[in-house]
Amino acid sequence: AQKITQTQPGMFVQEKEAVTLDCTYDTSDPSYGLFWYKQPSSGEMIFLIYQGSYDQQNATEGRYSLNFQKARKSANLVISASQLGDSAMYFCAMRNTDKLIFGTGTRLQVFP
Amino acid sequence: SQTIHQWPATLVQPVGSPLSLECTVEGTSNPNLYWYRQAAGRGLQLLFYSVGIGQISSEVPQNLSASRPQDRQFILSSKKLLLSDSGFYLCAWRQDFFTGELFFGEGSRLTVL
Repeated sequence: AQKITQTQPGMFVQEKEAVTLDCTYDTSDPSYGLFWYKQPSSGEMIFLIYQGSYDQQNATEGRYSLNFQKARKSANLVISASQLGDSAMYFCAMRNTDKLIFGTGTRLQVFP
Repeated sequence: SQTIHQWPATLVQPVGSPLSLECTVEGTSNPNLYWYRQAAGRGLQLLFYSVGIGQISSEVPQNLSASRPQDRQFILSSKKLLLSDSGFYLCAWRQDFFTGELFFGEGSRLTVL
């Protein structure tokens, strides 16, 4: 069965430092997609970055990059130069046929 | 451009009362539509999804039901709410089957007392 695991319930990082949020997945499908979303305290879900299983290079979007290690089935999110506004819940998700399944999330807190 | 709206934003209902949450998408056609629930401090649980009018897939057995009476309308309902139905409900849509990300509505916070 497909599964997404985020083992870090909470993370702290100092402003301007980089932080890595872990995500591992399990699937038997050769074709899949991996997503990261940010959820601020307002509740909205904001799409950050996408990685396809056949993509040769790691995805990057501004300060966000996805460290995709296919053999290890991991898709960690790296946020460089953290900002106070990065404090939020972060969810990893995997496309499973025509739906997305989500991990339990990691709460990131950025301190000055 | 595409937009997604859901309402009401906040709802306080007594146990045993009915529920209707509505979600509409504008600016696209034949989207895949989804209802997720997020319990307090928890991840997102997929409740229902629909790939077309009248086509509903249920992910977990529960007290809720969903309907898609029109291409861009998705409704979440219950005949009798339970305390455990409390949570933050998110409607979402996606277009591209293989690579498209989900676009979420603003969410509906339901408290059952």
